[in-house]
Amino acid sequence: KAGVTQTPRYLIKTRGQQVTLSCSPISGHRSVSWYQQTPGQGLQFLFEYFSETQRNKGNFPGRFSGRQFSNSRSEMNVSTLELGDSALYLCASSSAQAVYGYTFGSGTRLTVV
Amino acid sequence: DQQVKQNSPSLSVQEGRISILNCDYTNSMFDYFLWYKKYPAEGPTFLISISSIKDKNEDGRFTVFLNKSAKHLSLHIVPSQPGDSAVYFCAGRETGNQFYFGTGTSLTVIP
Repeated sequence: KAGVTQTPRYLIKTRGQQVTLSCSPISGHRSVSWYQQTPGQGLQFLFEYFSETQRNKGNFPGRFSGRQFSNSRSEMNVSTLELGDSALYLCASSSAQAVYGYTFGSGTRLTVV
Repeated sequence: DQQVKQNSPSLSVQEGRISILNCDYTNSMFDYFLWYKKYPAEGPTFLISISSIKDKNEDGRFTVFLNKSAKHLSLHIVPSQPGDSAVYFCAGRETGNQFYFGTGTSLTVIP
């Protein structure tokens, strides 16, 4: 059973640009969550999608957005990049109630210069 | 709002001894908790969970204890092995909502 796939693995962008990250969940998982990991801040919740609908949203500015497609694949977009957006972005998929928690992808390392 | 806190950024333990990682939470509505382990350049992997109706859950060398009155949980690893060296995150959630993660504790097991 394939795991959660995130692309690309690494990305370097310039301040002010926008970026789109992609996540393919485990087959059969309909919930996809996105987290930002920075040193000292742990994993900060961005948003969760379930059946193409945003179910929960964290405390991030509107520059961070996401969507989920009918095949459960999800994308995350960050517009007008800032230096502070440099982080590891993790996608996690789960069954409906996440009874066994999430399965995380390896993440996309975004560096904003 | 940091609803889950791991106050020890790092911990070093001798191989074969017990590792105890601690986690505190503020939301009394949390009903499910998880521990994850993360190696560098990899995503976190699920380790063990506990429901709020229990106070202990054991899986091999890993045991999680939950003290609801103190809003505290801990992960015990016995015996500790060098391969356990990683960053450990605890997480809690209220049913229907997202998981809130702590900032992580970096465990080093010294051979």
